[in-house]
Amino acid sequence: QSVLTQPPSVSGAPGQRVTISCTGSNSNIGAGFHVHWYQQLPGTAPKLLIYGNDNRPSGVPDRFSGSKSGTSASLAITGLQAEDEADYYCQSFDSSLSGRVFGGGTKLTVL
Amino acid sequence: EVKLLESGGGLVQPGGSRRLSCAASGFNFNDYAMSWVRQAPGKGLEWVSSIIVSGDRTYYADSVKGRFSISRDNSKNTLYLQMTSLRADDTAVYYCAKLRNSGRSQDYFDYWGPGNLVTVSS
Repeated sequence: QSVLTQPPSVSGAPGQRVTISCTGSNSNIGAGFHVHWYQQLPGTAPKLLIYGNDNRPSGVPDRFSGSKSGTSASLAITGLQAEDEADYYCQSFDSSLSGRVFGGGTKLTVL
Repeated sequence: EVKLLESGGGLVQPGGSRRLSCAASGFNFNDYAMSWVRQAPGKGLEWVSSIIVSGDRTYYADSVKGRFSISRDNSKNTLYLQMTSLRADDTAVYYCAKLRNSGRSQDYFDYWGPGNLVTVSS
């Protein structure tokens, strides 16, 4: 059971918009700790996608965006492409555990 | 170009020990905190441990506390993870990950190695 809760899977057709939620609590997201997102393509290491709730590293397309409100955060992907098919993980810090925590991951399928 | 390369994985018997290494290049290793993150087969990511620049402060997930030890050699640009009392549920791909800054709570993993598989089995 992950500290941060994500839907196991989401799907969308090419060109559509999808969102992935990340729900935490008052000891992590709700306490003001930043949320970061990682993309893991099949068979590869994770890659930083969004940092500090809503910031994109250079090289990440602006089709990817992040937001945070209260005890939750979301990753939105617009103009869905086949190459976006991957696992997506949210990550934050938990003050009760005194450590970094991940969501369980969401598998994105492009139909 | 930032590069992280893990080594030292393999098959280990339950109760055994193993030391993972992570060779870093392409950035000033002395300026950044570092971490280990693992992923069990078919499962999600789990933060394992972090270490600050000087090596004086280390942090561990409850699941490995008392069994794993993180360290670094800044003169060799190398990060280590000493794993003892290994159990079957420690079987995972272990990733070395660079933290963006000093390792404070708001920090994040900006670069990852390709990972190294550790299998704990008799």
